[in-house]
Amino acid sequence: DVKVTQSSRYLVKRTGEKVFLECVQDMDHENMFWYRQDPGLGLRLIYFSYDVKMKEKGDIPEGYSVSREKKERFSLILESASTNQTSMYLCASTPNGASTDTQYFGPGTRLTVL
Amino acid sequence: GDSVTQMEGPVTLSEEAFLTINCTYTATGYPSLFWYVQYPGEGLQLLLKATKADDKGSNKGFEATYRKETTSFHLEKGSVQVSDSAVYFCALKLSFGAGTTVTVRA
Repeated sequence: DVKVTQSSRYLVKRTGEKVFLECVQDMDHENMFWYRQDPGLGLRLIYFSYDVKMKEKGDIPEGYSVSREKKERFSLILESASTNQTSMYLCASTPNGASTDTQYFGPGTRLTVL
Repeated sequence: GDSVTQMEGPVTLSEEAFLTINCTYTATGYPSLFWYVQYPGEGLQLLLKATKADDKGSNKGFEATYRKETTSFHLEKGSVQVSDSAVYFCALKLSFGAGTTVTVRA
C-alpha cells in the first residue's frame, strides 16, 4: 500500500528558530512536493522536486528551502521561522511527471510559530 | 496559467440530501482533473479523476464529468451520509481550489 509519512503531526516552534519538516515515501516515486494549507486559500505549492538533488520553486517559496538527498526523502526547511508560517504543511508524491498522476499525500504537520 | 475555482462553503446538508460542488478550470491543453477529499485529521486522498473530455470519474457514490465546453468538473452525490463530512478539493496538475467544507447532519 502506498505510504507517505511526515515526521511530526504537531509542532510548536518559536520565532527565529530553524525548523525541519521531514517527508518519506515508500513508493519509489520520482516527484515530491511540499504544500501549505490555509483556510480559504486551499493548498499552495511551496517547492517540488523531480529527482534527487533537484528542486524547483513553487508559488510561495519565500522563507523556505528544501533538500532531497535521497529519492525517498524530501525535507522542508524554515531557515528562520516567523508567525506567518503557522500553517498545515502537506507533503505529496507522484510516480512521474505526467499530468494524469494522482498525488499521494502524507497526514500533514500542523506547525505553530509563537 | 492553470487554475481551478471551486464553490465556497461551508455546506451543511441533512443525510440523504443531494450534494453538488461546482468547479471550473482554466488550463492550456486538456489536463486531467481531480477531486480530492480530506477527512478530519487526515491528509488529502484521491476521490476521483477524469483524464479527458467527457470522461466521468466516479467513486463512493460521487461522480464528476469533465466538460470541455463549460470548462467544468462539478462533483455530485445523490444521497450523502454523515461519513461524507469532509473538505473537498478540485485540482488540476499542481493547482488546487480553496476547498469546500461539507457537513452532513444525521
